[in-house]
Amino acid sequence: SYELTQPPSVSVSSGQTASITCSGDKLGDKYAYWYQQRPGQSPVLVIYQDTKRPSGIPERFSGSNSGNTATLTISGTQAMDEADFYCQAWDSSTVVFGGGTKLTVL
Amino acid sequence: EVQLVESGGGLVQPGRSLRLSCTASGFSFGDYGMSWFRQAPGKGLEWVAFIRIKAFGGTKEYAASVKGRFTISRDDSKNIAYLQMNSLTTEDTAVYYCSREMATIEEDAFDIWGQGTLVTVSS
Repeated sequence: SYELTQPPSVSVSSGQTASITCSGDKLGDKYAYWYQQRPGQSPVLVIYQDTKRPSGIPERFSGSNSGNTATLTISGTQAMDEADFYCQAWDSSTVVFGGGTKLTVL
Repeated sequence: EVQLVESGGGLVQPGRSLRLSCTASGFSFGDYGMSWFRQAPGKGLEWVAFIRIKAFGGTKEYAASVKGRFTISRDDSKNIAYLQMNSLTTEDTAVYYCSREMATIEEDAFDIWGQGTLVTVSS
């Protein structure tokens, strides 16, 4: 079965840029999606189809996907961005998630 | 307001059944694929099942961990998606979320999520 791999944790200083990676075999041939989940809350879609932001998502969130790696970038990270982030892709008509990355804003 | 509300969770004994409901409002329910996800305590997100719209045959997909035990269905006249869960085990204990597929392309993101309903399987 298809697997997506994320680092368990990423730390970033407030105001700096955070990058969260998601690796999978030929992931660049698929679309990557990213969700933010704050403690005790439901997931929120922040990036779809590799690079697109849903309405209401701040411009500081951006995405890329090439080769075997998709990346979520948060520019000018704020304290409110501290959360778990999950990448997701479709493979053979099934939905696959990465294990999640806890983003800590210092 | 576009909204999904899950219901039907609770405490159930191992081996028993439970049916979850996901009631949609604020959008044309029949035009969107629907999915169920779950999250065990302290763990990551896990996809459970997906059902396509009638125009695409209403076909269903399942995660290997629930195939043969869980059944997803939809009633477009009532704007409700269901998850019938049979032969429950303690491994099925989780918060269960329903979500709407964006449907701008085939196999798209999930843009609307419910608040979740807790299912606890324990004797």
